[in-house]
This record gives sequence, structure tokens and C-alpha cells, in this order.
Amino acid sequence: GAVVSQHPSRVICKSGTSVKIECRSLDFQATTMFWYRQFPKKSLMLMATSNEGSKATYEQGVEKDKFLINHASLTLSTLTVTSAHPEDSSFYICSATTNYNEQFFGPGTRLTVL
Amino acid sequence: QKEVEQNSGPLSVPEGAIASLNCTYSDRGSQSFFWYRQYSGKSPELIMSIYSNGDKEDGRFTAQLNKASQYVSLLIRDSQPSDSATYLCAVSGTSSARQLTFGSGTQLTVLP
Repeated sequence: GAVVSQHPSRVICKSGTSVKIECRSLDFQATTMFWYRQFPKKSLMLMATSNEGSKATYEQGVEKDKFLINHASLTLSTLTVTSAHPEDSSFYICSATTNYNEQFFGPGTRLTVL
Repeated sequence: QKEVEQNSGPLSVPEGAIASLNCTYSDRGSQSFFWYRQYSGKSPELIMSIYSNGDKEDGRFTAQLNKASQYVSLLIRDSQPSDSATYLCAVSGTSSARQLTFGSGTQLTVLP
């Protein structure tokens, strides 16, 4: 299957700082990437759809000024959690879509805000 | 009303048995169907995709799709303890073929 990388895998930061997470499709081009968050023992929650060269589409209830998404190229999307607070602590996972609409997930980033 | 429904389980089967995971969906126009496996603390891994009615086999996994009944299932033959995970059913929507709707997952435990 297609490979998606995500960096960093784990980050611990102080409240009020911003954290950038990178998502890369390594062996295919992805015009569409998705960002999810997942709390322990809960389902995936779609946060936003990231489209190359255009603005991201955010799901209802997700603050676009809080979670900044940039899809600058066909292989890279970034999620920046601005002014992070403890309630933003979660497992953030990106995915990239192939031409067959298969979504391949990155390994995830575990964010802990102190 | 949930768009994709799965039995949350937990489902326990003995090693070597067949595990049967079921999923129903509400959007009759859905065209693409996927099964993901997610180990605790890890991200989901795509294990099967199916697009047309019938069965699709890949190793020990068989996906079954019945669009008339809006039903998709996953069979795991010769279940192994390493198959113990949460299995997510995902369905593409008609409004956005690329965006998937996920079920809440079925937790499977394979007992040695």
C-alpha cells in the first residue's frame, strides 16, 4: 500500500505554544489529505479536509483559526495547533487519498500540552 | 442517525476460528467500502477495499458487499492473536467520494 509519514510522532509542549505537524505522502501524489483527532478508546473524528492549492474545509465545531492547515504541495500538508491548551492534547492522525479513493493513514502524532 | 453502524463488541473468538465483522450504511449511493484495522495506540491500517457486490478475498481476509442490503462484512479465517484489534468499517459518500465516513469500530479479541 501507499506510505504516509507524519512528523513528529510525539510532542510535549507548554500551554500557549504552537505546534506544527507535517504529513507527507511518500510514494504518491495526494490532492486531498485529511486530518483527524482521536481520544482514547473513541472513534476517529474528522477535523478538516486539506486540498492542495486551496483552503481547507473544516468540519462543524472545529476552529479554523485554532487549527491551521496548509497543503502547499501534492505530497505535503501541515497542521498547526496554535496557542495549544491542555484540552488540545490528543492523537492527531493525517491521511492521504489515492486515485482509487483509498485513504492511507500516517502513524499519528501524540500531542500532550502541559 | 449514524451513517455507518458496526457492532461495538467486544467480539471474542478462539484462535483458528472465523471472525465475522459486520457493517451497515445508510447512504445508498455509496460506491467505495473499506476495512481498516487499528491496534491500540496506533493509526488505522487499510486491510481491504471493495467496490462491487460479491466477495473479495485477500489471504485470510474476505470482504463481502451487498449494496441492495447496504451491508458490508469482513471475515477473518484462521484467526490469530495478532488479529486482536479494533476493526473500522469506512464508506465513501456521494457528496464527496474522497471523504470517508467511519463506523465506531468493532473490538476483536482472538483468544489463544
